[in-house]
Amino acid sequence: AQTVTQSQPEMSVQEAETVTLSCTYDTSESDYYLFWYKQPPSRQMILVIRQEAYKQQNATENRFSVNFQKAAKSFSLKISDSQLGDAAMYFCAMASGAGSYQLTFGKGTKLSVIP
Amino acid sequence: EAGVAQSPRYKIIEKRQSVAFWCNPISGHATLYWYQQILGQGPKLLIQFQNNGVVDDSQLPKDRFSAERLKGVDSTLKIQPAKLEDSAVYLCASSLIAGVHWGEQFFGPGTRLTVL
Repeated sequence: AQTVTQSQPEMSVQEAETVTLSCTYDTSESDYYLFWYKQPPSRQMILVIRQEAYKQQNATENRFSVNFQKAAKSFSLKISDSQLGDAAMYFCAMASGAGSYQLTFGKGTKLSVIP
Repeated sequence: EAGVAQSPRYKIIEKRQSVAFWCNPISGHATLYWYQQILGQGPKLLIQFQNNGVVDDSQLPKDRFSAERLKGVDSTLKIQPAKLEDSAVYLCASSLIAGVHWGEQFFGPGTRLTVL
């Protein structure tokens, strides 16, 4: 069974500053994918960034980057130059690389951006 | 490209009533997922379809929940009879393929169900 744990229910960051959201996971699979999803108040979930477990290089998408520590089973999201539009719920999720690729989500972190 | 469509967006019912949610995935997406998101939690998969066949429904409470995907396109999720604990947002997602390699899941806006 896969588990995803987000230990920070809420976080806040000043506009233009950097914030890091934490995520740990557990799986017995060797092939898996990790994701960060953003869910704004309108509730449409969108993919922010993804990381393939077999890749050592950390994924980056513009202001969003991850710190993937495979041995520690840690997958944190760093948001640089935070903007008001970054305010949302952020969910860490994983999918096994074999079979049906179902997503297992953490409980989420609510990010507030202070002007 | 049109996104995943869901209706209704909001629904309020009394316990023991029935309710149905509809999802239209992105055109050409073979895989369709229904998730239940209870307030304060992450989405939990209820059922996964590949075309019009069920891949996994192990977390679907089959005594009251049912789902179908006729002709491998639109899908309907039904709850009969509803319980108070079914109050949640029901999210539909679709992806181009699954089982070969990972396909990004695109989510609809969800249906917020309140059971009184």
